[in-house]
Parts: sequence; C-alpha cells; structure tokens
Amino acid sequence: DARVTQTPRHKVTEMGQEVTMRCQPILGHNTVFWYRQTMMQGLELLAYFRNRAPLDDSGMPKDRFSAEMPDATLATLKIQPSEPRDSAVYFCASGHRQGIGNEQFFGPGTRLTVL
Amino acid sequence: DAKTTQPPSMDCAEGRAANLPCNHSTISGNEYVYWYRQIHSQGPQYIIHGLKNNETNEMASLIITEDRKSSTLILPHATLRDTAVYYCIVRVAAGAGSYQLTFGKGTKLSVIP
Repeated sequence: DARVTQTPRHKVTEMGQEVTMRCQPILGHNTVFWYRQTMMQGLELLAYFRNRAPLDDSGMPKDRFSAEMPDATLATLKIQPSEPRDSAVYFCASGHRQGIGNEQFFGPGTRLTVL
Repeated sequence: DAKTTQPPSMDCAEGRAANLPCNHSTISGNEYVYWYRQIHSQGPQYIIHGLKNNETNEMASLIITEDRKSSTLILPHATLRDTAVYYCIVRVAAGAGSYQLTFGKGTKLSVIP
C-alpha cells in the first residue's frame, strides 16, 4: 500500500533553530505539496512542485521558509530561523497529473513545536 | 475557486446514513466538487469528486443538484471510524489553479454509538 512518508513525526525545538522536515512522495507521483495546519488558520497551502520544479510558493513566508526537491523521492521544507508562530502540523501530499481526479495523497504530518 | 459553505458540525447515529451538505452557489461550469476528510491527528484523505452527475465509490456517494449550486456527500452506513472533519472543495480540473486544494473549515461529523 503506497503511502507518503514524513519525517520526523514530531519535532520540538527552540526559537532561532533551523528545522528541516522531509517527505517521500508516492513513487511515480510528480506533484508534491506542502501544507500547514493550525487551529487558527486551518489548512493552508505553502508550496507545491511539479516534476521537481517549484510551481507556486506564494503561501510560504519567503524570509525564513524554503522548499526543495533534491530528487524525485525527497522533498524538504526548511525553516531558518524558526519562531514560536511556526508551531503547527506540516503535511506533505503527492499526486500525479494524469486523469481528472487529481487526488492528493497526504502524509501523516510533522508536528512542530517551537519554544 | 468557488467559495463553499458547510455546517460546522453534525451528528449521526452509528449505522445510519450521514448526509453532509455543501453549498457552492458561485461554482463555474469547469469546476469540480471534491470531498476530503480528516480524521483526528491524520492527514486529509480523498473521498470522491464529481462534475454534474451523481457519483458513487466504495466510500461514499456524491449527489450534485441539477443547477450545481449545492451537493451532498452521503456515507450510507456511518461507523465510529467515520468521525472526522469533512471538507467540500471546488476547483477547476485542469490548467491554472487546478493543483491547489483550498480547505475551508469543513463539517465536523460525530458518529454516535
């Protein structure tokens, strides 16, 4: 059963530290998404990639966040420096463009706490 | 994407059908209706989507009104594991804007024993 995997599942860090979250999309999927979920804002799209190229990162704070896909099996989301307001659950999702469905398959999320 | 309106919460007795409404009165002709759900502490999960015809799969049925301004997601025999937040999303199927899912607040469905 193919799944999106994310590491770490939980991360507690101090303000100012660098945080890197990793995602392994489902093999064969060419679109990868990063979402952030908080109680106040709900689920927000931060960025997405197609064929490893960034298509839209307008939802991401540019000064401290960066997203990359070093290869087709790995997507990373980095926060440097982290701030308490970045505390949230970060979800990665993958999909492929073939077909009308365009379903997105979500990973289990990384719960980030910045103290 | 068209704005959707959903009730914030609903209850359903276990074993009964759960009917979750969604209003999307400003939907365009090229926009599909998608449903996702999020069980507590998990990532969202795709359920079903449709354009104008009613759709059914192993998880649920989707009924879209003839004018496409509203739809209903039906879980035919709700179980406790169906307790989740259900999101109704409208988006184009191709071209610019077809990738993003814009999640609203959804409907929190509680299935009661």
